Amino acid sequence: DQQVKQNSPSLSVQEGRISILNCDYTNSMFDYFLWYKKYPAEGPTFLISISSIKDKNEDGRFTVFLNKSAKHLSLHIVPSQPGDSAVYFCAARIWRNAGNMLTFGGGTRLMVKP
Amino acid sequence: DVKVTQSSRYLVKRTGEKVFLECVQDMDHENMFWYRQDPGLGLRLIYFSYDVKMKEKGDIPEGYSVSREKKERFSLILESASTNQTSMYLCASSQPGQESEQYFGPGTRLTVT
Repeated sequence: DQQVKQNSPSLSVQEGRISILNCDYTNSMFDYFLWYKKYPAEGPTFLISISSIKDKNEDGRFTVFLNKSAKHLSLHIVPSQPGDSAVYFCAARIWRNAGNMLTFGGGTRLMVKP
Repeated sequence: DVKVTQSSRYLVKRTGEKVFLECVQDMDHENMFWYRQDPGLGLRLIYFSYDVKMKEKGDIPEGYSVSREKKERFSLILESASTNQTSMYLCASSQPGQESEQYFGPGTRLTVT
């Protein structure tokens, strides 16, 4: 059973508007959350992260919000740009065996229309 | 510029063949990971390694093995390829204490016929 879920496989947004990508998790032992961005034919690249002791982290146009009680996080992109069109993966960190591991969600394909 | 390279971008193999996927990183990272990416399932961890000659199973290790003889190189081995191993395979590396921020290679699209 997937412990990290992204329920929207795709999202289409107009350029300049806000994009909101959502992620839900089930394991309360996750202590750190990340968003990765993936373009076709490239590996994922780290975008932004948040510790479980915080509820918001901002980096330029990107903001991640964490609601621990709801086990929910979201990524806001404002304003959205065509270059943001990519697949976004939510990931959660947990200590297992010899070290920290990441569990990824299924991804959301964002399309930003000019 | 940090770099993770994978030996092949595309690979086609027959059922039952032994398959080697190679990954090399030039960042002197201790940690290395192998994932497979499938539609709707995201990235799932197959194996990881925190040191040379050390390996740990991830979430889906069945049908796979790994080798790490040198720090910069981490190999994924499919002992007897099957059609359900057709997938995109991604290698990643990170520094200890920074396992969260992993650097990924471009991926190998493996098709098993």
